[in-house]
Amino acid sequence: GAVVSQHPSWVICKSGTSVKIECRSLDFQATTMFWYRQFPKQSLMLMATSNEGSKATYEQGVEKDKFLINHASLTLSTLTVTSAHPEDSSFYICSAIPAGLYEQYFGPGTRLTVT
Amino acid sequence: DQQVKQNSPSLSVQEGRISILNCDYTNSMFDYFLWYKKYPAEGPTFLISISSIKDKNEDGRFTVFLNKSAKHLSLHIVPSQPGDSAVYFCAASARAAGNKLTFGGGTRVLVKP
Repeated sequence: GAVVSQHPSWVICKSGTSVKIECRSLDFQATTMFWYRQFPKQSLMLMATSNEGSKATYEQGVEKDKFLINHASLTLSTLTVTSAHPEDSSFYICSAIPAGLYEQYFGPGTRLTVT
Repeated sequence: DQQVKQNSPSLSVQEGRISILNCDYTNSMFDYFLWYKKYPAEGPTFLISISSIKDKNEDGRFTVFLNKSAKHLSLHIVPSQPGDSAVYFCAASARAAGNKLTFGGGTRVLVKP
């Protein structure tokens, strides 16, 4: 149980384009999902908290207009990187918390490369 | 300002021996602590957690110890197996603050056969 999927697993896009990453909880409902990014050989940095039916809460320093988050249902959150630049290249990981638990369960991650 | 620190970037241990990973935190509001295992290009896998009201939690080969007064926790893996080779992240959260996780920098564990 507590499986989280992400799609795509990797994506290459050109500078200036937008790319959408999906995060799904497969066997549970999640009112809250989280989006992280990880640079090579570094830890995970929380970008934003995604709440179903309301606006996402962004961490300090994260541009909300650049990283659009939509939590349309209890099993789906999307992260759209708008007007991507090479410095947005990173590993993006989502997580979700099953109801009644405190542990976050993570998706497999999405490798974004902006050329 | 690193609120969660893993001071050992790497650890090498012989198969069958104990692996001890350490983690320190500074924020006294943290009341829930977790350990995750991560392979390259994959998401973290939840291993074990502990609430601040406890000082020990055990699950199979994994035991987490919490010393609140020292703001220190550790993960013991015994016996270590080659499949345990991965990066281990300590994470902390303040449940009243919405369960946001703050991660340590990770410790790379290598278990030698």
